[in-house]
Amino acid sequence: QKEVEQNSGPLSVPEGAIASLNCTYSDRGSQSFFWYRQYSGKSPELIMSIYSNGDKEDGRFTAQLNKASQYVSLLIRDSQPSDSATYLCAVKTANAGNMLTFGGGTRLMVKP
Amino acid sequence: EAGVVQSPRYKIIEKKQPVAFWCNPISGHNTLYWYLQNLGQGPELLIRYENEEAVDDSQLPKDRFSAERLKGVDSTLKIQPAELGDSAVYLCASSERDRGYNEQFFGPGTRLTVL
Repeated sequence: QKEVEQNSGPLSVPEGAIASLNCTYSDRGSQSFFWYRQYSGKSPELIMSIYSNGDKEDGRFTAQLNKASQYVSLLIRDSQPSDSATYLCAVKTANAGNMLTFGGGTRLMVKP
Repeated sequence: EAGVVQSPRYKIIEKKQPVAFWCNPISGHNTLYWYLQNLGQGPELLIRYENEEAVDDSQLPKDRFSAERLKGVDSTLKIQPAELGDSAVYLCASSERDRGYNEQFFGPGTRLTVL
């Protein structure tokens, strides 16, 4: 079992819809959770971080964390073609020396 | 504020040749990371520095890879000799201090092709 798992996609949504990206992790000691956006040929860009159970909203993005279920998600409201990218989930675990473990990413395609 | 700077952006070498990558982190960031990213996968940590000290290098293939951060600011990652399987993107990231909550910011990466 991979430590951080994501569906590779592609996830295809129409413009204006809500895109829902999911991530599960295996280490219950994980403390910090991050979502990065990576455009093709570019480096990862941090878009959201979440540390407590519940929702955290930032503009069109909402991160959701459920530590009991070991599940973190990213919702993108009013999806735009410019949101088309690979979204990487990253988890930081104190027991692993604060190492950041990445999932393989989910490719999102927003169709006009 | 300037972001993480990396050079070169692209490098093409023949196998068995040496190669070096350079990274300058965001000003004031004590922690520096080198990651490797293969196509279609997430970044994988190679080494982490707290100031000039390498505190996590368990994933660094020490037979051919080496890294240094002599003055606790910029860093160099070297491969000698390079192998075909080393073709990947090498990413540098930095954070203020690695205490479990600090966010990491990535540089543009160096795309290495080994022929």
